[in-house]
Amino acid sequence: DGGITQSPKYLFRKEGQNVTLSCEQNLNHDAMYWYRQDPGQGLRLIYYSQIVNDFQKGDIAEGYSVSREKKESFPLTVTSAQKNPTAFYLCASSIISGDLNYNEQFFGPGTRLTVL
Amino acid sequence: AQKVTQAQTEISVVEKEDVTLDCVYETRDTTYYLFWYKQPPSGELVFLIRRNSFDEQNEISGRYSWNFQKSTSSFNFTITASQVVDSAVYFCALLSWAGSYQLTFGKGTKLSVIP
Repeated sequence: DGGITQSPKYLFRKEGQNVTLSCEQNLNHDAMYWYRQDPGQGLRLIYYSQIVNDFQKGDIAEGYSVSREKKESFPLTVTSAQKNPTAFYLCASSIISGDLNYNEQFFGPGTRLTVL
Repeated sequence: AQKVTQAQTEISVVEKEDVTLDCVYETRDTTYYLFWYKQPPSGELVFLIRRNSFDEQNEISGRYSWNFQKSTSSFNFTITASQVVDSAVYFCALLSWAGSYQLTFGKGTKLSVIP
C-alpha cells in the first residue's frame, strides 16, 4: 500500500536529549513537510523539502533540524535547543507541479512526543 | 499574506442537530485551493474536500455540505443530522502560489456531538 509512515506513534524523552522522528513515504512524492500541532494552535510548518539534499525553514524552525538524503525519507530531529518540544508532530508529502491542482498534501499518522 | 480564520474554537451540539463550521481566508492570489480536514482523536488528518477558486458551486456529500463564497472569502462546512462519530477537530486550509505551495491552516474547530 502507498502511504506515509511515521514511527513511533508515542515517544518519550528526557529533557535535554535530542530525539529524531522518522517519516517515510512510498508515494514517490517530491516534497515532504513537517508540522507541529499544539492544542488551540492548529498546524504550524517546521521545515519542508522540495528536492533531495535541499530543505527550507518553515514558520517555527528554531530548535529543529532535518535532512533529506533520500527522496522517500525526511527525518526530523528535535534538539535540546527547542524550549517546549512536547507536541504532536505530523509529516506530509506532495507532488511538486506547476499546476496547483496536483500539490495536495497527504499526511502521516503523526508522532506524539512527550519530554519529561 | 496568507491567513485562514476559524473563529469557532469549540462547538457542542446534540446528536441529530445540524452544525456549521465557519472558515474565512485571505490571499492575494486569484488561483488557490481550499481544503477541509477532519482530525479524530487518533490524530491522523482525514481529507474531506478540496475546492479551487474558480468553482463556486456548493457541494454535498452525504450529510456533509460546503458553501464557498468568494465575495465574502468564506468556505463554510455544514454537517446535517450530526452523529457522535462526527466528534473531532476540523481544520480549514488554504493552498496558493503566494504561499509557495504551502498549506496555511486555520486553528481548527473542535466539534463535540453529545448523544
